[in-house]
Amino acid sequence: EAQVTQNPRYLITVTGKKLTVTCSQNMNHEYMSWYRQDPGLGLRQIYYSMNVEVTDKGDVPEGYKVSRKEKRNFPLILESPSPNQTSLYFCASSLRATINQPQHFGDGTRLSIL
Amino acid sequence: GQQVMQIPQYQHVQEGEDFTTYCNSSTTLSNIQWYKQRPGGHPVFLIQLVKSGEVKKQKRLTFQFGEAKKNSSLHITATQTTDVGTYFCLHAGNNRKLIWGLGTSLAVNP
Repeated sequence: EAQVTQNPRYLITVTGKKLTVTCSQNMNHEYMSWYRQDPGLGLRQIYYSMNVEVTDKGDVPEGYKVSRKEKRNFPLILESPSPNQTSLYFCASSLRATINQPQHFGDGTRLSIL
Repeated sequence: GQQVMQIPQYQHVQEGEDFTTYCNSSTTLSNIQWYKQRPGGHPVFLIQLVKSGEVKKQKRLTFQFGEAKKNSSLHITATQTTDVGTYFCLHAGNNRKLIWGLGTSLAVNP
């Protein structure tokens, strides 16, 4: 089944403890991205990747890192999480980053940073 | 930079009433996509519009792209409780940047 898989689905952790949210897609998509969703603010893009070894900042990249060593995986790293990073996170992928490609989303990861 | 304004932010309707959400831009949009996010779920692609004046239908949902390609709408006829969720529009900008509307949250009273 074609899908985008995120792990974990839920995480409660403490300020400063490094964490990684994994994202994997099995559709051979070139384009992958991370979003955070907060009430009233819609979907804000954190980072995106056009292809392997190519990553770029989105609208809200501060406090986050990403890597794209393989086509299928695009982990989101919080080196020193802070409470303002408490949010719902989505990974998404599309075949290419062109105008007519639908975005496929993972089920989301709800992070709580205490 | 390029922006897409989506209105209204919230809409509360009685079951059976119609619902419309709008996305507007000050610049020409090459395309517009629509997504639905159910409560507790993730956004799911509904449709894409690329042609001026384009109208597409999916059962009770009607999607329109304006003649000037600066606005788009999603209209739901005779809402049902299964229509509850947040509807987003998305534009892939000239520099490949993805520009999302803030979404319209629809609540339906049974």
